[in-house]
Formats: sequence, structure tokens, C-alpha cells
Amino acid sequence: QLQESGPGLVKPSGTLSLTCAVSGYSITNAVWWSWVRQTPTKGLEWIGAIYHTGGTDYNPSLKSRVNLSIDRAKNQFSLDLMSVTASDTAMYFCARMSAAMASMPYWGQGIVVTVSS
Amino acid sequence: ILLTQSPGTLSLSPGGGATLSCRVSQSVTSSSLAWYQQKPGQAPRLLIFGASNRFTGVPARFSGSGSGTDFTLSISRLEPEDFALYFCQHYDGSLVTFGQGTRLEIK
Repeated sequence: QLQESGPGLVKPSGTLSLTCAVSGYSITNAVWWSWVRQTPTKGLEWIGAIYHTGGTDYNPSLKSRVNLSIDRAKNQFSLDLMSVTASDTAMYFCARMSAAMASMPYWGQGIVVTVSS
Repeated sequence: ILLTQSPGTLSLSPGGGATLSCRVSQSVTSSSLAWYQQKPGQAPRLLIFGASNRFTGVPARFSGSGSGTDFTLSISRLEPEDFALYFCQHYDGSLVTFGQGTRLEIK
């Protein structure tokens, strides 16, 4: 099970920080942990993924503003998106990604984040 | 890589069959293509991975096919709960890309 948490409102130019708590599965298993966001206009957009070792892959369109991290002790991983604007307003999902299946079989329920002053 | 789904909206009646298309801008391996279903207020649900493999618990009326640049999700004998948004997704080993989605609505 995956559960997103974090502020629902972020000010423009600030940093959007979300955490995904993983339960029932060790975050140190050999899988990728992903973040995906969704808006009505742009649809689903993959933000990036972090491997259990800490290795990362990012969407090139967001790479300069994104940092992913993993906390093995707390069995959770996190997203920091910097210099946000209104266009970063979205539903944010965390997901467990299987490279072998080239897909994301397990998702959190999502969290709405609004960027506004 | 761009994924283009068609049609944008598909209006059908329960009991009928649906065919959803996902066209990829360049040839990809079948193992890299997946399909998801999403209902309002919910996260996407994995239906098909590797172009044609049903994920655990997915009913047999859902099937995936295709290769190269053209992939299809077929749904036979539409049930009321099948009317939802459907996305295709590609993973090249370092980048995930989604199609824009097809909305399957009740006619």
C-alpha cells in the first residue's frame, strides 16, 4: 500500500514537497518508486523514479526542478519540486514501478496540490 | 517517443465490444507497452503489461495486442463498470510516457 502526504497548498516560487509512505512491502526491494501527476489539460505526466539504491531517473521536462529521495528507515520516498508555478497544480500520485513489467502495478490514492498565493 | 490514443471518446452500449488504439511515434518492443483504466477520483489501475499480459485480477474480457507502433486494447461484452478513462504507457528503461487517454462512455 502507498499513501501520499504533504501540503495541499504551495505558494508560487516555493517548493512542493510530498512523501509516499509504503506499507506491506520493503522499500529496499529491487523496484523503482515513481511519482506521476495528472491535470485535466495535460493528462498523466511521469515526474521521475528512484531505485532502492538511490539511483534516479527524471522526466527531462522537469529534471532541473525535481529531486527524489528515499528513506529506508521509514520505508518511504519523497518528491521535491522547486520553483513551482500555477502549472504545477495537479493531482500527484506515487506508484511502485516494475521494470520487468515496464509498468506501475501499485499506486497511491493521490493528493491534490494547488499552487497559489 | 509520443503515444497517440484514438479515439478521444468512444460512446458504446453495455454488452458491446470496444477497441482502443495507441499509436507510438517510433517502433517499440511489445514488452514496454502497458494499459491502464482510471475511474473518477481513483488512481490508474494497471490492466495490461507487455502489450498483451493481463495483470492479476483483470477480467478476461480485457485483452491487449499489437506490435511495433500500433497497439490495441480490446474490451468484449462491456460491463457498466468498464466505462472509464483508458491510458496507454510506454517505458524505455529510463523514461515513462503516457498517451492522452480515451474516454469510454455509455451511449
